[in-house]
Amino acid sequence: QVQLQESGPGLVKPSQTLSLTCTVSGGSISSGSYYWSWIRQPAGKGLEWIGRIYTSGSTNYNPSLKSRVTISVDTSKNQFSLKLSSVTAADTAVYYCARRPVGRTGMDVWGQGTTVTVSS
Amino acid sequence: EIVLTQSPGTLSLSPGERATLSCRASQSVSSSYLAWYQQKPGQAPRLLIYGASSRATGIPDRFSGSGSGTDFTLTISRLEPEDFAVYYCQQYGSSPLAFGQGTRLEIK
Repeated sequence: QVQLQESGPGLVKPSQTLSLTCTVSGGSISSGSYYWSWIRQPAGKGLEWIGRIYTSGSTNYNPSLKSRVTISVDTSKNQFSLKLSSVTAADTAVYYCARRPVGRTGMDVWGQGTTVTVSS
Repeated sequence: EIVLTQSPGTLSLSPGERATLSCRASQSVSSSYLAWYQQKPGQAPRLLIYGASSRATGIPDRFSGSGSGTDFTLTISRLEPEDFAVYYCQQYGSSPLAFGQGTRLEIK
């Protein structure tokens, strides 16, 4: 079955750019119709949707983060990526990637999450 | 932009009891694109319910969802020890997607 795995630096300095990758295994990122999302969760707090990319490459972002976020896909590597610029301590969180099939289904496959700390 | 408000914030119940969790949207959720997730400590969320009332694959039938428009409910008919966790609702009918703040279900 399809599995997702986040990867990237666990520590990022303030004002720098956070870069994470989600690798899709057990299936092709470009087959079928799916939304591929990034979600984050600060320690002890709730879930925040960051944005998504559709199989076709179109994107939607959370307005609260839109000016700093870029989500892209690399079909040759079966990966999609998140870049968040000008980070501050408030961006410290567990970052998850997740898949949602087009249609009524919710986010049915999630990565295990990766912790990113913003600190000098 | 749709805002989801979950209540109560914490629910204290005993195994075998019935749990009722509420999720209210600030505006109507398109096509009942409302999901419920369960999250245990140190784990990613798990999809329980989608389309307001459809159980995801492998989810026991003690979990049920209902509602439409702006008011949705997750019901757990008889609580098992493994059901004590945090539950989130999510709307995915319009962008930006949004999660509720969560309901913590704890053992009484």
